[in-house]
Amino acid sequence: QKEVEQNSGPLSVPEGAIASLNCTYSDRGSQSFFWYRQYSGKSPELIMSIYSNGDKEDGRFTAQLNKASQYVSLLIRDSQPSDSATYLCAEVDNAGNNRKLIWGLGTSLGVNP
Amino acid sequence: GAVVSQHPSRVICKSGTSVKIECRSLDFQATTMFWYRQFPKQSLMLMATSNEGSKATYEQGVEKDKFLINHASLTLSTLTVTSAHPEDSSFYICSAVGGVGNIQYFGAGTRLSVL
Repeated sequence: QKEVEQNSGPLSVPEGAIASLNCTYSDRGSQSFFWYRQYSGKSPELIMSIYSNGDKEDGRFTAQLNKASQYVSLLIRDSQPSDSATYLCAEVDNAGNNRKLIWGLGTSLGVNP
Repeated sequence: GAVVSQHPSRVICKSGTSVKIECRSLDFQATTMFWYRQFPKQSLMLMATSNEGSKATYEQGVEKDKFLINHASLTLSTLTVTSAHPEDSSFYICSAVGGVGNIQYFGAGTRLSVL
């Protein structure tokens, strides 16, 4: 059974700090990973995709992938209260060719003003 | 980015009626769309995979006769909740695969309340 695991939190950081969200996965053959953000009562929205080992930066967000250790992380710099949401980690299920995602349960992040 | 439109955003219906939810990819073609359900304070639960021109693939425990999925074109998939009951009240979300990198993009969701 392929799994994606996240600490459910809640993770609380002060405004302006760096928020660090972590995710581990069980399928060593996984190639494609995503971070989505979901505000309460809303649908998920894509923040980052990452496919290669190393860091990928987009504005205040940096995704990090380490395939040897099977973890993916998301760093949010200069955290803002508007970043308070649930962050979902997901990987593509390689068993099929339809881009089905295996989801973590999400980490709840609260940014305190 | 790719845009997925989902309608209606909210439905309130009487027990026993059927409700149709539409999911459209507006600026890309999507051979695959997914339907999820989410109860309050719970995680996303995949209900089914919708493939254009073929039968949907349902996840274990999801009744295919109750949740009818039609993916008649490359830009439209529909989910019909038949004979809805109060326990079907939930947040239904669709996603479509497309764009650069074949990524899942989500619709805004439909909040269904069955009285």
